[in-house]
Amino acid sequence: GDSVTQMEGPVTLSEEAFLTINCTYTATGYPSLFWYVQYPGEGLQLLLKATKADDKGSNKGFEATYRKETTSFHLEKGSVQVSDSAVYFCALVDTGRRALTFGSGTRLQVQP
Amino acid sequence: DADVTQTPRNRITKTGKRIMLECSQTKGHDRMYWYRQDPGLGLRLIYYSFDVKDINKGEISDGYSVSRQAQAKFSLSLESAIPNQTALYFCATSGPGQGGEQFFGPGTRLTVL
Repeated sequence: GDSVTQMEGPVTLSEEAFLTINCTYTATGYPSLFWYVQYPGEGLQLLLKATKADDKGSNKGFEATYRKETTSFHLEKGSVQVSDSAVYFCALVDTGRRALTFGSGTRLQVQP
Repeated sequence: DADVTQTPRNRITKTGKRIMLECSQTKGHDRMYWYRQDPGLGLRLIYYSFDVKDINKGEISDGYSVSRQAQAKFSLSLESAIPNQTALYFCATSGPGQGGEQFFGPGTRLTVL
């Protein structure tokens, strides 16, 4: 079945540091890929998405590129802020159920 | 107002009790989902529904049941709660043309003692 693997956390960075959170997937075909963010005490919000190979999703300074050849969708941000502290989930949607398969989540802590 | 709401937001109950978690949405979406979040495991699919007459099990449906009372309402029940059902529960919806994007409620934190 489909699966998503993302780097374990927590990831601790200083403000203005560069962020990479790795995500790789296993799936049949070419699913849409997503990054969701969960701020403390809140539900999940869509951060960005990509629906086909070589697409780049971007939002709030975050970017991720759909790499078919490496089955990856790594999340990057050039300069993190304290307000980016949250848990980040990589996910894909299967074409049948249209349900999301999630990675285990990566907690990001940004220190001032 | 939130597009996807869940009640209650927090619940503490005892082993063996019946519990119902409710989800309502104003997005007009046909597809609704229940997920469970456990630390270090991400979210896992419990049940999903494509319309009022279409209910399907997800990967971890044992011990749970659901009811789709209307397009806008999707309830999750624990018939006899057990401690390992302590978790954060999320309802989500999706619609056509969204590219698979789902919209999540704020979650219900359930503790079974």
